[in-house]
Amino acid sequence: DAGITQSPRHKVTETGTPVTLRCHQTENHRYMYWYRQDPGHGLRLIHYSYGVKDTDKGEVSDGYSVSRSKTEDFLLTLESATSSQTSVYFCAIRGASGSLDTGELFFGEGSRLTVL
Amino acid sequence: KNQVEQSPQSLIILEGKNCTLQCNYTVSPFSNLRWYKQDTGRGPVSLTIMTFSENTKSNGRYTATLDADTKQSSLHITASQLSDSASYICVVSAAGTYKYIFGTGTRLKVLA
Repeated sequence: DAGITQSPRHKVTETGTPVTLRCHQTENHRYMYWYRQDPGHGLRLIHYSYGVKDTDKGEVSDGYSVSRSKTEDFLLTLESATSSQTSVYFCAIRGASGSLDTGELFFGEGSRLTVL
Repeated sequence: KNQVEQSPQSLIILEGKNCTLQCNYTVSPFSNLRWYKQDTGRGPVSLTIMTFSENTKSNGRYTATLDADTKQSSLHITASQLSDSASYICVVSAAGTYKYIFGTGTRLKVLA
């Protein structure tokens, strides 16, 4: 158990409303990621973070923003949700054993977002 | 372009039978390859990691192989169980980055 919690797990919202998904970790890992998973696509990177206040864009970052003000929390925000952002969102952390980077990704349980 | 392709897209087998899932990649420079299992409604969980120098690695009834020359990997499941029903995702890491390239997965269904 890598100690990753995503919230909310399920959300239904309307087009144009803002939505924030939260990823919380208890392991103090440096790297955190947000992915979306859609049928017919592999997991696609939205944004990732390599430390507090250090973030970078992934391949599908348009329409999304992130923030990381504390090591343990990585927030994903949809400023104005659209139907194309209906998806399952996964947070992941890059594992480490002590100071050794294992490179293994540990995933949260996912947040299912429906935009009507 | 870095890509990971998996086959077949889906597979149905009877309980107790063996099966092999394939993964081809065009990721360079290659760092490692992992197989993940994703149960329905859950996040993916790592099964095994293959580095450049490794050809075969087992994890219980799961055996992964890697041919770095042909850039192919396979995941062999022996004596399948109903609990093996899941999606299996091949993930490749490029050296020098902290990003991962995901395949679209193989959806396996094991029938009693």
